[in-house]
Amino acid sequence: AQTVTQSQPEMSVQEAETVTLSCTYDTSESDYYLFWYKQPPSRQMILVIRQEAYKQQNATENRFSVNFQKAAKSFSLKISDSQLGDAAMYFCAFKGYGNKLVFGAGTILRVKS
Amino acid sequence: ETGVTQSPTHLIKTRGQQVTLRCSSQSGHNTVSWYQQALGQGPQFIFQYYREEENGRGNFPPRFSGLQFPNYSSELNVNALELDDSALYLCASSWGTGADTQYFGPGTRLTVL
Repeated sequence: AQTVTQSQPEMSVQEAETVTLSCTYDTSESDYYLFWYKQPPSRQMILVIRQEAYKQQNATENRFSVNFQKAAKSFSLKISDSQLGDAAMYFCAFKGYGNKLVFGAGTILRVKS
Repeated sequence: ETGVTQSPTHLIKTRGQQVTLRCSSQSGHNTVSWYQQALGQGPQFIFQYYREEENGRGNFPPRFSGLQFPNYSSELNVNALELDDSALYLCASSWGTGADTQYFGPGTRLTVL
């Protein structure tokens, strides 16, 4: 069974600075997808970025980028130029051959002005 | 393009009662997945519906059941409610069962007293 681990329960960042959220996963599959979802207090789970395991190039979406290390089974999220609106719970998620997403426990990100 | 919608937003039930939660998938999506998110935790997969049939189930008892309708909307039914069923219930839609990306609704907050 796949597992996803987020070892940082909470992180803080100063507005306009950069923060990195960590995620590791365990799987025996070779082809899969990894995601970062953002969940603000409104509860809506919003897709931030996705990575296909067969692609070596790290995904980037505006201020959000990932560092995907397949051999190490590591998938970290970097947020550049942090904004107050980035404050939320961030979940790392895995999807393999099956039909379900497997989520980590989440990291609360606080942004200080 | 219409996103995923869920109803009701929140509700309160007492132990032993039954509850029905509803989800309308994003336009163009034919697959609906349901997740339970306990307070402070990551979402857990309940089951998925595709072509009006259950297509995969997580570690949840049979008192959690569902339906999918011809228009791809879905219901989650929970019988004999227990206190531990108190959670945020998230619905996610996608195109096909193997689709890599699932898009989430705003969730229904269920409180069992």
